[in-house]
Amino acid sequence: AQKVTQAQTEISVVEKEDVTLDCVYETRDTTYYLFWYKQPPSGELVFLIRRNSFDEQNEISGRYSWNFQKSTSSFNFTITASQVVDSAVYFCALSEAGNQFYFGTGTSLTVIP
Amino acid sequence: DTGVSQNPRHKITKRGQNVTFRCDPISEHNRLYWYRQTLGQGPEFLTYFQNEAQLEKSRLLSDRFSAERPKGSFSTLEIQRTEQGDSAMYLCASSGRGWGVEQFFGPGTRLTVL
Repeated sequence: AQKVTQAQTEISVVEKEDVTLDCVYETRDTTYYLFWYKQPPSGELVFLIRRNSFDEQNEISGRYSWNFQKSTSSFNFTITASQVVDSAVYFCALSEAGNQFYFGTGTSLTVIP
Repeated sequence: DTGVSQNPRHKITKRGQNVTFRCDPISEHNRLYWYRQTLGQGPEFLTYFQNEAQLEKSRLLSDRFSAERPKGSFSTLEIQRTEQGDSAMYLCASSGRGWGVEQFFGPGTRLTVL
């Protein structure tokens, strides 16, 4: 069974629109960590955010914000006022008791100028 | 540049040949990970080292795959008798101590098996 599901395969938005990328995870652990990574066309995965299971506070960093809801096992990512440079594949990942990450299949975001 | 580096960046080989990839982690990181990523998929965990000890191996890591980290610094991933299904991007990541810490990824080695 997939531990991390990113149901949106591809999303296209026009520049300056807001966009939300969905992430649903599955775990039986009470302690776990969630991550978002960005993979631009150059290919290198870039770390964006880390959240532990005990911290449900939403976080905002510039145009980026994250909504963590344990009740729905979701960790969604919103980009406000999207820009062309935001075009990339975005991955959500889960870390349980071990050290490996379980990645979703990614959401490819295209921001149209 | 003090990030994770990987060499080579691209490798084209014929089926049946052996290939070896190298990963140099961020110098102060004691943990090193190998992942494989195919087109349209997220990275899939292969194996993990803490210092020189290989602590976890995925079922994806067949007997043809072997990884080493002899001195707890750089790591090598060798694939013997390559198959066309091995064609993928091989990613290396490193992290510091602690559970759930972020992993920092290298640029990857793209393997094409003809």
